[in-house]
Amino acid sequence: EVQLVESGGGLVQPGGSLRLSCAASGFTFSSYWMSWVRQAPGKGLEWVANINQDGSEKYYVDPVKGRFTISRDDAKNSLYLQMNSLRAEDTAVYYCARVEGRWLPYYWGQGTLVTVSS
Amino acid sequence: NFMLTQPHSVSESPGKTVTISCTRSSGSIASNYVQWYQQRPGSSPTIVIYEDNQRPSGVPDRFSGSIDSSSNSASLTISGLKTEDEADYYCQSYHSSNQVFGGGTKLTVL
Repeated sequence: EVQLVESGGGLVQPGGSLRLSCAASGFTFSSYWMSWVRQAPGKGLEWVANINQDGSEKYYVDPVKGRFTISRDDAKNSLYLQMNSLRAEDTAVYYCARVEGRWLPYYWGQGTLVTVSS
Repeated sequence: NFMLTQPHSVSESPGKTVTISCTRSSGSIASNYVQWYQQRPGSSPTIVIYEDNQRPSGVPDRFSGSIDSSSNSASLTISGLKTEDEADYYCQSYHSSNQVFGGGTKLTVL
């Protein structure tokens, strides 16, 4: 059974940093593209970033370029999202997802809440 | 970049059929696959249709997807509505190095 468990969310001040983690199990992690998708409170889904199997290709939505970095550690079956220079508008539940192909989020975790506020 | 536009909300009675549209703003709807996700309150999204019209195992055949090049849109149709189908539904597609979700449609089954 595919399982994705996010962690690392919490309350952070504007301008601060946070690192999210996603622990994967139930599949061969190194064989799949992975993705982060976020959802602001009461709002819709917004794709954040994708990473390929060996970490050589990374793609980001424009509002997070230069501030967020997606990475992975296949030895630990883990996906990460380093978030710097956080803004109030980054407040959201962040989901990690296993991707089919390059752009099809198929399995989703339960999400972790990030709140950016002073 | 392109946008995917969905109706904000739809409602229908149990047992009836409802269709939710998803219109692509630029580029052909047929050029990249469309997926549909269901999100019940307090839960993560789950996929109900992938690659325009494919149903994952475990998703009832009451759910179907299609695309219409003439209107540059995709549709999710749910027949034999049940109260458990009440949820938010999102379409998703991609192009080049970017993927996009529609704004979501709240389905009320009353």
